[in-house]
Amino acid sequence: DTGVSQDPRHKITKRGQNVTFRCDPISEHNRLYWYRQTLGQGPEFLTYFQNEAQLEKSRLLSDRFSAERPKGSFSTLEIQRTEQGDSAMYLCASSPIQGGYQPQHFGDGTRLSIL
Amino acid sequence: EDKVVQSPLSLVVHEGDTVTLNCSYEVTNFRSLLWYKQEKKAPTFLFMLTSSGIEKKSGRLSSILDKKELFSILNITATQTGDSAIYLCAVEVVSGGGADGLTFGKGTHLIIQP
Repeated sequence: DTGVSQDPRHKITKRGQNVTFRCDPISEHNRLYWYRQTLGQGPEFLTYFQNEAQLEKSRLLSDRFSAERPKGSFSTLEIQRTEQGDSAMYLCASSPIQGGYQPQHFGDGTRLSIL
Repeated sequence: EDKVVQSPLSLVVHEGDTVTLNCSYEVTNFRSLLWYKQEKKAPTFLFMLTSSGIEKKSGRLSSILDKKELFSILNITATQTGDSAIYLCAVEVVSGGGADGLTFGKGTHLIIQP
């Protein structure tokens, strides 16, 4: 399957710990997006990259959240000093630039539970 | 602030019925409207709409956009139990970087009873 891949699928951690999630986009997709989804809500946009450049990060929820895409391929999302309110599904999506405007395709997400 | 509102938030119908899901939006610099289907995992792409009045169809599903009245509908005919899911509407806007993240509605939770 060559879809968007996210790892881990589930993460359980204690409050105050740091967590890091990984996203591997569809091959040759230049754009990569991170979203957070809580129960009963649609996904909420956090940040996005075009190749290795982070073009929008003002929507990250706090300075505890950061993302990287160092070589323009996979990306990581880190949450430092986790809080119970960070419990959610974290989704990654990717889309190409070439071939005209294309929709974003989503991975299965990482479900984070804070104890 | 960009806003997307979906209605109804939940809907229960019987297999074989036809359903219409609604999405209205208020955004600046509209680029496109997208519909996704979400079961237990990733939202899966259904339609992308950029022009008013042009219906997109895929099997029993169809969708249309009205850019003057700022809404879209998603129709599902002859519903099946496999259509049970959350249907998400999202809008993309044009930004300085050429594209931006999607703004989603809360979704319509559709349940098809046999």
